[in-house]
Amino acid sequence: GAVVSQHPSRVICKSGTSVKIECRSLDFQATTMFWYRQFPKQSLMLMATSNEGSKATYEQGVEKDKFLINHASLTLSTLTVTSAHPEDSSFYICSASPAQGRTDTQYFGPGTRLTVL
Amino acid sequence: DAKTTQPTSMDCAEGRAANLPCNHSTISGNEYVYWYRQIHSQGPQYIIHGLKNNETNEMASLIITEDRKSSTLILPHATLRDTAVYYCIVRVGYKLSFGAGTTVTVRA
Repeated sequence: GAVVSQHPSRVICKSGTSVKIECRSLDFQATTMFWYRQFPKQSLMLMATSNEGSKATYEQGVEKDKFLINHASLTLSTLTVTSAHPEDSSFYICSASPAQGRTDTQYFGPGTRLTVL
Repeated sequence: DAKTTQPTSMDCAEGRAANLPCNHSTISGNEYVYWYRQIHSQGPQYIIHGLKNNETNEMASLIITEDRKSSTLILPHATLRDTAVYYCIVRVGYKLSFGAGTTVTVRA
């Protein structure tokens, strides 16, 4: 149980284009989903927290107009990297907390590797 | 924020127990200790969490000292697939702050 998927698993795009990453909780409903970024040889950094039906809360230093987050349902959150540049190349990972049961635990997706050329 | 201190790396032998220490001397009374692991190029995997009592599940055991200033994650029979970075995290509110973790290498 508590499976989280991400799509795509890896994406390569040209500089200046936008990329959308999907995060789905497959066997549970998630009122809260989180987006992290991980650069090579570094740890995960929280980018933003999204609650279903409301605006995301961004961590300090994360541009909300560049990283658009939509959490339209209890099982889906999307992260859109707008006007991507090579410095946005990273491993993007989402997590979700169940609405019932282990509401205090985050379950992570497998990650999406973004490469911007 | 309560911060954690973990060894940078450790090796352990396949089939033996792996004991991973974590210091969290500034933890507050209502803050939980969480353990996750991250196998190379994958998302973190939840292992276990606890407040003050020792906890055990199918993956591991978590031993928390009485003063709650440190804890130990025990993998009872390490396998090669347990090679990963292990993160000890004190959860503050709903957020998890990942440190550098301990790189655990299980050797045959």
